[in-house]
Amino acid sequence: DIQMTQSPSTLSASVGDRVTITCRASQSISSWLAWYQQKPGKAPKLLIYKASSLESGVPSRFSGSGSGTEFTLTISSLQPDDFATYYCQQYNSYRAFGQGTKVEIK
Amino acid sequence: EVQLVESGGGLVKPGGSLRLSCAGSGFTFSNAWMSWVRQAPGKGLEWVGRIKSKTDGGTTDYTAPVKGRFTISRDDSKNTLYLQMNSLKTEDTAVYYCTTEQTDSSGWRGYLQPWGQGTLVTVSS
Repeated sequence: DIQMTQSPSTLSASVGDRVTITCRASQSISSWLAWYQQKPGKAPKLLIYKASSLESGVPSRFSGSGSGTEFTLTISSLQPDDFATYYCQQYNSYRAFGQGTKVEIK
Repeated sequence: EVQLVESGGGLVKPGGSLRLSCAGSGFTFSNAWMSWVRQAPGKGLEWVGRIKSKTDGGTTDYTAPVKGRFTISRDDSKNTLYLQMNSLKTEDTAVYYCTTEQTDSSGWRGYLQPWGQGTLVTVSS
């Protein structure tokens, strides 16, 4: 099975900061990677699919990159609404999530 | 509007059974591949399993911890997805979400959108 590892587990940042979250796959998943945002008590929300495709309605400050085994989610200028937990998910073989990265207020 | 609504959660004793339902609307349910994802309290997301559309074979796949205990099925006439959970363990305590698997422009399927609101399953004596 493919294992997904995110780093860091927690990230402290301020409004306006550029934030980068990394996701590594235990084997190549080509570009079959999605990113989700989840707020407490809510279902996850899709942000990015196919590693770098922005879901409709998602602000352009979110971007994704990478292929193979290493991927990044970048928030270009952190906004108050962006404090949340972020998950990567591979869909190359079955499905699997990373353990999550909590973005908290510094 | 595409909508998924889960139901059937509750408190069950270890070793017991429970069946979750997920009603879909606003899309062609019979064409959809559907997944269940769970989240234990304070923990991350865990993919539970999925069922393909009948036209794509209707087959199911599961994560290892639930294989042999959980069964995913669908009733396309009712636009409803099911998760039958048997031999429940305390570690199955979680919010269970149903979600649809989307296909991108290249035809590859597997990112998840939309999601239901979730239903809580508590396994405790």
